[in-house]
Amino acid sequence: QVQLVQSGAEVKKPGSSVKVSCQTSGGSFRNYAISWLRQAPGQGLEWMGGIMPVFGTSHYAQKFQGRVKMTADESTSTAYMELSSLRSEDTAVYFCARDLIEYCSAGSCYVLQHWGQGTQITVSS
Amino acid sequence: EIVMTQSPASLSVSPGESATLSCRASQSVSTNLAWYQHKPGQAPRLLIYTASTRATGIPARFSGSGSGTEFTLTISSLQSEDFAVYYCQQYQNWPPITFGQGTRLEIK
Repeated sequence: QVQLVQSGAEVKKPGSSVKVSCQTSGGSFRNYAISWLRQAPGQGLEWMGGIMPVFGTSHYAQKFQGRVKMTADESTSTAYMELSSLRSEDTAVYFCARDLIEYCSAGSCYVLQHWGQGTQITVSS
Repeated sequence: EIVMTQSPASLSVSPGESATLSCRASQSVSTNLAWYQHKPGQAPRLLIYTASTRATGIPARFSGSGSGTEFTLTISSLQSEDFAVYYCQQYQNWPPITFGQGTRLEIK
């Protein structure tokens, strides 16, 4: 079955960067979009962006443009999300999630079927 | 960006009863609407997509309806494991995909 396993919790200083990994197994890695989302304490789900390995494209929410980078390593079936210039408001649980639809197209992308377990990122001086 | 608004913010229901959760989009999303269940300390779980299609393994007591800007998730015969936070999400226009703020379903 499909599994997404994320890297462990991290504590970072303000102004630094963090890189979270999401290793997938089961199914074809390149054919499905991978999204990154976060949930700050007491808040709802927030989509940061997604990457589509098969098309070599990524899409970012405007809020994170210039501060986030999403990459995919097909050789290890691992997706990465790097967030820079960290501030205290970035303290959250970060999730990766894989799409429901293979080779998604407009109107079918970003239905999030499989999720990682979440990674706690704490930003504190 | 499409804004998703869920109501109510919280709902108290007794086990065995039904719950109706609402979601409104700031503009039409056609039927490109999904619902998720989220429990503390766990990953969210996809329940419904294309507004009314149950995801694999989701019990028939979960049903979705609606199109355009108004959507409903109905959970019949509530069981103890159904008490959680529920989110709607649009994937009509992206980036970004957007979520509602969630409805907390509590045991009465």
